Amino acid sequence: GEDVEQSLFLSVREGDSSVINCTYTDSSSTYLYWYKQEPGAGLQLLTYIFSNMDMKQDQRLTVLLNKKDKHLSLRIADTQTGDSAIYFCVRTGGGNKLTFGTGTQLKVEL
Amino acid sequence: IAGITQAPTSQILAAGRRMTLRCTQDMRHNAMYWYRQDLGLGLRLIHYSNTAGTTGKGEVPDGYSVSRANTDDFPLTLASAVPSQTSVYFCASSDSMAGSTDTQYFGPGTRLTVL
Repeated sequence: GEDVEQSLFLSVREGDSSVINCTYTDSSSTYLYWYKQEPGAGLQLLTYIFSNMDMKQDQRLTVLLNKKDKHLSLRIADTQTGDSAIYFCVRTGGGNKLTFGTGTQLKVEL
Repeated sequence: IAGITQAPTSQILAAGRRMTLRCTQDMRHNAMYWYRQDLGLGLRLIHYSNTAGTTGKGEVPDGYSVSRANTDDFPLTLASAVPSQTSVYFCASSDSMAGSTDTQYFGPGTRLTVL
């Protein structure tokens, strides 16, 4: 995941908003995704954004895409303890292959 | 519908032994993938298959082989395991047809320890 970068850790208080950031170098991706991995579990798709969109909102989740700066962010409103997980920023690579970021571990404190 | 399943859930293996990790999906997806997840490195693609009968190398294919005899199954084989192959292995599948979002669906993972 060297061309998809994320910070490794983020800690927030329950009820606050969380913002997880991602930068990437290859602008040819068609889709960018956010996957969530809960402890000891596999990855589940959280949301995705098409590369010609700037924003996508889905309930508590807001995805912002800045194509000029190659920056993707995921905002989780009213963060709950159940949101504690690792969040992966993922872009489509060549063909149908995916390139993963290193993941950001979100810790939600009471 | 089970989705995508992997077996075993976890395994401890002596170095030099042969091991096959199993992956089965019931979604009739044409494409399947194997990843390994290591701390600080995210997920890295080992091998993939765009359709039954074809396979391709990913980012870290050395020491691994795959086969895709049918749509549903995509086993990953370590011919002679080495400690550096200690990892968590995830299988995934996607319906990579025109008009799809190429979303990949992941199995629960296999935790492999090579001693």
